[in-house]
Amino acid sequence: SAVISQKPSRDICQRGTSLTIQCQVDSQVTMMFWYRQQPGQSLTLIATANQGSEATYESGFVIDKFPISRPNLTFSTLTVSNLSPEDSSIYLCSVEVQWSAEAFFGQGTRLTVV
Amino acid sequence: AQRVTQPEKLLSVFKGAPVELKCNYSYSGSPELFWYVQYSRQRLQLLLRHISRESIKGFTADLNKGETSFHLKKPFAQEEDSAMYYCALRIPGNMLTFGGGTRLMVKP
Repeated sequence: SAVISQKPSRDICQRGTSLTIQCQVDSQVTMMFWYRQQPGQSLTLIATANQGSEATYESGFVIDKFPISRPNLTFSTLTVSNLSPEDSSIYLCSVEVQWSAEAFFGQGTRLTVV
Repeated sequence: AQRVTQPEKLLSVFKGAPVELKCNYSYSGSPELFWYVQYSRQRLQLLLRHISRESIKGFTADLNKGETSFHLKKPFAQEEDSAMYYCALRIPGNMLTFGGGTRLMVKP
């Protein structure tokens, strides 16, 4: 299994600012992912965080808005930049353990943009 | 592209009643299917996967390829089963795709 520590757990931010979310895993994992869960909706994959190279973004998400870092196999950050109220959402970090195909999730970051 | 549909956003049952959370998917091959659960104030976690063919917390789910369904069932619901349930699909070499989720409320 994998234990994920994600922080902050929640934040209230002003429009135009940025928020960086950290995700720390207790073991080395190859696959790390960032999801968005908007109110009343399902999880939408933002990007796959690749160690040592640029993240792979899903359709509708771009690096300028959601820059991601993955400096090593246990840590990643997601920045949500130039915030607007539409960015208010829960952001989730997830990892997959290769031999089990099971996904593990952080507790989420609830972002409110005012 | 693959898709997962959970037709019910909310399912409300009384304690002891049977419960079935529906999940349909669109994919012509052999996917891996999962049910994830999120209890109040807890993180999302795996409940069960179709390849394990196991019962977890009294829940079972059978993959029906003919109907492209993976419904989650429990014969007697308990109050502690109240949670948000997500059906998810993975096709080989691809990422997880989640359904919209169903909130299960078990009333005393």
